[in-house]
Amino acid sequence: DGGITQSPKYLFRKEGQNVTLSCEQNLNHDAMYWYRQDPGQGLRLIYYSQIVNDFQKGDIAEGYSVSREKKESFPLTVTSAQKNPTAFYLCASSIQRNQPQHFGDGTRLSIL
Amino acid sequence: AQSVTQLGSHVSVSEGALVLLRCNYSSSVPPYLFWYVQYPNQGLQLLLKYTTGATLVKGINGFEAEFKKSETSFHLTKPSAHMSDAAEYFCAVLNTGTASKLTFGTGTRLQVTL
Repeated sequence: DGGITQSPKYLFRKEGQNVTLSCEQNLNHDAMYWYRQDPGQGLRLIYYSQIVNDFQKGDIAEGYSVSREKKESFPLTVTSAQKNPTAFYLCASSIQRNQPQHFGDGTRLSIL
Repeated sequence: AQSVTQLGSHVSVSEGALVLLRCNYSSSVPPYLFWYVQYPNQGLQLLLKYTTGATLVKGINGFEAEFKKSETSFHLTKPSAHMSDAAEYFCAVLNTGTASKLTFGTGTRLQVTL
């Protein structure tokens, strides 16, 4: 079955630590996205990528970094500069930028 | 700039009753509109979409929505609620201009009671 796989499902971060969230898709989609979801705030765009080796900042990119070395993969690193990282992180992909997005099942990040 | 307003963060209906979840949008260009559903600790699943053409769109699980340009609305309805419909619902607007950015509303949590 085609889809988006996010791992791990739960992740804990210590103070001053960087952590990386994995996102892999086998839908052959060009565009990929990372969102942060907080209660009562909907989804906010962190980064997006339309093609391999290219990515753009979204609305809340500070404290995060990404890479897009392969079409299938779009990992997100939450750096120590992100002072409030506790949230539910969702990865999505779409055939093209203006097409419906398909979502993974998310990673819940908490601070120890 | 584009935005989405979902009226009512929580909606409660009885099983078998009509479901109406409200969504109003603003967009400077003709929008694409979407409704997504999210079950606890899961990602979002596309319910339905409006791009062009017929303004009444049908989606999965018996849901439908009507695009009303004059009212800038895209309300989601289902004639008869089922217990399995309890979830959070998000309306989203896609700017079809050069930005092609998807903007989400803050969500409406639907509760279905016996």
